[in-house]
Amino acid sequence: AQTVTQSQPEMSVQEAETVTLSCTYDTSESDYYLFWYKQPPSRQMILVIRQEAYKQQNATENRFSVNFQKAAKSFSLKISDSQLGDAAMYFCAYRSASSASKIIFGSGTRLSIRP
Amino acid sequence: DGGITQSPKYLFRKEGQNVTLSCEQNLNHDAMYWYRQDPGQGLRLIYYSQIVNDFQKGDIAEGYSVSREKKESFPLTVTSAQKNPTAFYLCASTSGSGEQYFGPGTRLTVT
Repeated sequence: AQTVTQSQPEMSVQEAETVTLSCTYDTSESDYYLFWYKQPPSRQMILVIRQEAYKQQNATENRFSVNFQKAAKSFSLKISDSQLGDAAMYFCAYRSASSASKIIFGSGTRLSIRP
Repeated sequence: DGGITQSPKYLFRKEGQNVTLSCEQNLNHDAMYWYRQDPGQGLRLIYYSQIVNDFQKGDIAEGYSVSREKKESFPLTVTSAQKNPTAFYLCASTSGSGEQYFGPGTRLTVT
């Protein structure tokens, strides 16, 4: 069975600095999607970035980028120029390309931003 | 605007009562999901439905029931058999490209 592990329950970063959130996963599949979701205090889940496993190029969305290492089954999120509004829970998620049912979330990393 | 609506935002019930949480989407997505989130925890899958009139149990289906009579609607009933129903409930749907879109959630408190 697939698993998603976020080993950092909490992280803290100084405003304007860069922070990296870790995520590892385990799967025997070769085709899948990976996502990072943000959950601010409002609790609305917001998609931050997505990565298709067949793409070698790392996804980037403005200040957010990923380091996707398929062989190592690692999918870290880098947030550059951290802003106060980035404070939230961040969830890493895995979805099988072959089954809409298999969407697996990690336990989350709580990110705080120091002004 | 396209999206997912959940109502109400806060719901209070007495122990022993069944309660139904609403989830509606106008994104034309086939697949819909219900998750439960406890404080400081990740999301756990309760039920999902890939097409109308079909649904499957997730990891923690006991004490819950769903229906999918329309593509747009996927209500969740929390029955009195659910031992610890107080939680935050999130509804989601999935696009063809695999992204999950979430509703704003319903906070259920049972006393």
